[in-house]
Order: sequence, then structure tokens, then C-alpha cells
Amino acid sequence: EVKLVESGGGLVQPGRSLKLSCAASGFSFNDYWMGWVRQAPGKGLEWIGEINQDSSTINYTPSLKDKFTISRDNAQNTLYLQMSKLGSEDTAIYYCARGLRRVYWGQGVMVTVSS
Amino acid sequence: DIQMTQSPASLSASLGETVTIECRASEDIYNGLAWYQQKPGKSPQLLIYNANSLHTGVPSRFSGSGSGTQYSLKINSLQSEDVASYFCQQYYDYRTFGGGTKLELK
Repeated sequence: EVKLVESGGGLVQPGRSLKLSCAASGFSFNDYWMGWVRQAPGKGLEWIGEINQDSSTINYTPSLKDKFTISRDNAQNTLYLQMSKLGSEDTAIYYCARGLRRVYWGQGVMVTVSS
Repeated sequence: DIQMTQSPASLSASLGETVTIECRASEDIYNGLAWYQQKPGKSPQLLIYNANSLHTGVPSRFSGSGSGTQYSLKINSLQSEDVASYFCQQYYDYRTFGGGTKLELK
């Protein structure tokens, strides 16, 4: 069974950093592009960025590229999202995503940016 | 950047009715489009890819169509379990989502 389990979310103060993890299982992790998507409360979906199988290509949504860094550890079957200089606008559920076209989603992790 | 305009933003329909949700791309996306269903408190689930291909396990009452810049998702014979939000996603050029459609029962 394919599983994507995000962790590392929670309450963080404005201006601080946070790193999310996504533990993958049930499939060959190093065969897939992986990505991160977020959804602000009551809002739509926003693709943050994506990373290819060997980390040689990483793409970001232009408006978000200065705030987020995506990385992966194929030996640990884990995807990461480093977030910096967080603001209230970054409050959202963050989803780990397998694939770029037929996306399989994790269950999501909530990040709340508030003082 | 390719923009996706989805309509309507909300929709109320009766059981057994047929509903259609549309997405318009700001430029030709050559059938690089997927549809997702998201139930409250859950992560999105793939319904349709390549504009008209039904994902494994998705009921046949769901169908996708379109080409160029205009695409649609049709749900035949609406069931109670179809109450959800629906999103389109283009993947022809990077990835962007439509704004979503919230489907409720009348």
C-alpha cells in the first residue's frame, strides 16, 4: 500500500523556519518525482515545487522560490520541505505529493504561523 | 504561467442529477489536465488524468472531456458520496490548479 506520511508541522512564530518531512512507503521512492502542495484554510490548492528522482532538477512556483527548499533522501525514502521567514500567509495544510501528473497525496500536515 | 479558471465555484444539485464542472486554461494545455475530488478533512484523490482517462477504481459515472483550453468534468447520476470539492490541475507547463468547485446536495 502506498503511504505518504507528513510530519513536522505545528505552531510557529512569524519570521521563523520550519522543516517538514514526508516518509514514503509502499512504492519505489527513487522512481518518482515528488512534490509539495499547500492549501490555506478554506482555500484552493497551491503547488509549491517538485524534485526529480536524483535531485538534479528542482522546480518551484516563482512566487514561492525564496521561501521554500525541497530536498529528498532516497536512502531514507523521505522528502523534505524547508520553510523560512514564515508569515501568516503560510498557514496551511501541507501535502506531500507523489508524481506530477497522476498525483498521489499524503494526508497532509497543518502549519500555523502565529505569535 | 498558465492560469486555470474553474467554474462554478459552488454547485448545488439533487441526487441522480448530472452535474458539469468546467476549467478554462489561459493557453492550450494539450490535454495535460487532471481532476481531483477532495472530501472534507481529507486529501485530494485523483479522478481523471490526461483530460479524459478514468483513474483506476473511480466510478464510471465520472468522466472528463475537452481539448485546447476548455475542459470539463461530468458526474452522471449524482450520489451522496460525491459531495466534495473538485479541482482541476494542468500539468502541461509546470503545475497549476483551478480554484475549486464545492458540490453540495440540494
